[in-house]
Amino acid sequence: GQQVMQIPQYQHVQEGEDFTTYCNSSTTLSNIQWYKQRPGGHPVFLIQLVKSGEVKKQKRLTFQFGEAKKNSSLHITATQTTDVGTYFCAGPKDSNYQLIWGAGTKLIIKP
Amino acid sequence: GAGVSQSPSNKVTEKGKDVELRCDPISGHTALYWYRQRLGQGLEFLIYFQGNSAPDKSGLPSDRFSAERTGESVSTLTIQRTQQEDSAVYLCASSLVLAGANTGELFFGEGSRLTVL
Repeated sequence: GQQVMQIPQYQHVQEGEDFTTYCNSSTTLSNIQWYKQRPGGHPVFLIQLVKSGEVKKQKRLTFQFGEAKKNSSLHITATQTTDVGTYFCAGPKDSNYQLIWGAGTKLIIKP
Repeated sequence: GAGVSQSPSNKVTEKGKDVELRCDPISGHTALYWYRQRLGQGLEFLIYFQGNSAPDKSGLPSDRFSAERTGESVSTLTIQRTQQEDSAVYLCASSLVLAGANTGELFFGEGSRLTVL
């Protein structure tokens, strides 16, 4: 069935280092969404990408949607402690538009 | 209300008891999802309601789990004969479904934390 795969599962970084998470779909997506879940919280929407090759920036966060609309990435420049959490990607299922979720990438800041 | 409301926020129950979790979505949102999230894990899809279409129940882990939604309003998730493995946070989310398969962003509730002793 349709799948969305996300890697890595965890990434440990020193504060100030960069962080990247990658998302790959088994099928072409009409759009892809990214969410952040802080420890103890619920997922919160960050952004939606719709166009092939689209790049969007939110301050230190850069989101990309691949040309084939099957992959996406989130890059955080110069991580801060406020970036800690799990980042999820999600894309709509072909048949009924419900979202299919990646497993998430947990960003951990090394003490 | 302004956001997705879930109740109870915490529920502790004994193994074998039934529990009912409630979700009140954002008014006008036609799509409603239930997810289960075990500690430190990702989102496990349970069920999806979209308007008047038949719900997608493909994620329900066993026949002990059921969910209902009346129209585009409140949904309840019922777990019968709870087991310790059911302990998790149950998250509800709602969204608009836009034209052209452009699924709107999901708005999540705070979740219902279920502990089965």
